Amino acid sequence: GAGVSQSPRYKVAKRGQDVALRCDPISGHVSLFWYQQALGQGPEFLTYFQNEAQLDKSGLPSDRFFAERPEGSVSTLKIQRTQQEDSAVYLCASSLGLSYYGYTFGSGTRLTVV
Amino acid sequence: DAKTTQPNSMESNEEEPVHLPCNHSTISGTDYIHWYRQLPSQGPEYVIHGLTSNVNNRMASLAIAEDRKSSTLILHRATLRDAAVYYCILSMYSGGGADGLTFGKGTHLIIQP
Repeated sequence: GAGVSQSPRYKVAKRGQDVALRCDPISGHVSLFWYQQALGQGPEFLTYFQNEAQLDKSGLPSDRFFAERPEGSVSTLKIQRTQQEDSAVYLCASSLGLSYYGYTFGSGTRLTVV
Repeated sequence: DAKTTQPNSMESNEEEPVHLPCNHSTISGTDYIHWYRQLPSQGPEYVIHGLTSNVNNRMASLAIAEDRKSSTLILHRATLRDAAVYYCILSMYSGGGADGLTFGKGTHLIIQP
């Protein structure tokens, strides 16, 4: 596709439920990032993939958060046993590589935990 | 990553130029200056980036101070569609870096018709 696609666009989860958020990056983009954006704040880095390798997961807030990109294209961010503080917009971004300027972001998935 | 300082909000009139300032007094010699903007209900969008020289593209211009401790994003003729949060970000990589981009709170730009 022409851009980064994220699904679902909105997700409401009951506290304790597991959720999976999907990101379809631009075809051929090597680098993929996940960000979390709380209301009124800037996006915060969660994790980074280069192809299928997860090279940095230092931003994941707890071991309930898990991300994968098994074939180096589509990525899934999974949150287990969701808590209210997990409510946020989750953004995915991709780029050709570290030396290529300009990340392309998706529109995000708004997760609300009730 | 070195820190940037931006005003929380700015207001401008439609069809007038807008100058969005950013201070980065602790910038290192290898840090690139990136600008992204985020329209309501969308992900951030790349605007422009530079290292030392002023840069122009179809969206905006980036003016970088000679000592590189500050920069200004210039929208030459603002439209209502330019209303967004503008983020000034430093990274040692031209592409943004393996640890992603470190966003602050940015400047909320309001455009009055």
